[in-house]
Amino acid sequence: AQSVTQPDIHITVSEGASLELRCNYSYGATPYLFWYVQSPGQGLQLLLKYFSGDTLVQGIKGFEAEFKRSQSSFNLRKPSVHWSDAAEYFCAVGAQRNQGGKLIFGQGTELSVKP
Amino acid sequence: GAVVSQHPSWVICKSGTSVKIECRSLDFQATTMFWYRQFPKQSLMLMATSNEGSKATYEQGVEKDKFLINHASLTLSTLTVTSAHPEDSSFYICSAVPINQPQHFGDGTRLSIL
Repeated sequence: AQSVTQPDIHITVSEGASLELRCNYSYGATPYLFWYVQSPGQGLQLLLKYFSGDTLVQGIKGFEAEFKRSQSSFNLRKPSVHWSDAAEYFCAVGAQRNQGGKLIFGQGTELSVKP
Repeated sequence: GAVVSQHPSWVICKSGTSVKIECRSLDFQATTMFWYRQFPKQSLMLMATSNEGSKATYEQGVEKDKFLINHASLTLSTLTVTSAHPEDSSFYICSAVPINQPQHFGDGTRLSIL
């Protein structure tokens, strides 16, 4: 079955500390992977995506993610967290590069940032 | 670019009424749009795929007569919650798909049924 798992429901980090949000997927075909961020009461903003090529992808706001096929993972990282990064983060997998297809979302990880 | 506008952002209405939510792609055309439902502290649940000029494709368990979707133009899809009841209260989010780009999301509509 196709699925996305984000093992951490809630993470708290200190401002300035590094961050890693975990994402594991189960997908029968070549996965196209995404990280989205959602602020309270708002829609989703795309942080970054992986389609092919370099397995380390850079996104907006200083985020990066690494695709590891052997581990079926696509973890999101940021070297130094800012208070404005507090939000809900969703990992998603899709089947089509042009995204005419559906996305399967993980359960989300809520990030809190303490001063 | 690739802005998706969703309206209204918040609506409160009485039980039994119908509510229409609009999803517009402002600077691109979208043959495909998606409608999601999100409960508090939970992930997005895909309700249906909206296809311009044809019938929407509903996910299993979603009542198509309850949640009417119309995608009459390349920039507009609407979701109508018919005869809404308190259990329909939720956060509804749409997304649209620019050519060769990932889904772009609207800011969502918070629906409260009294």
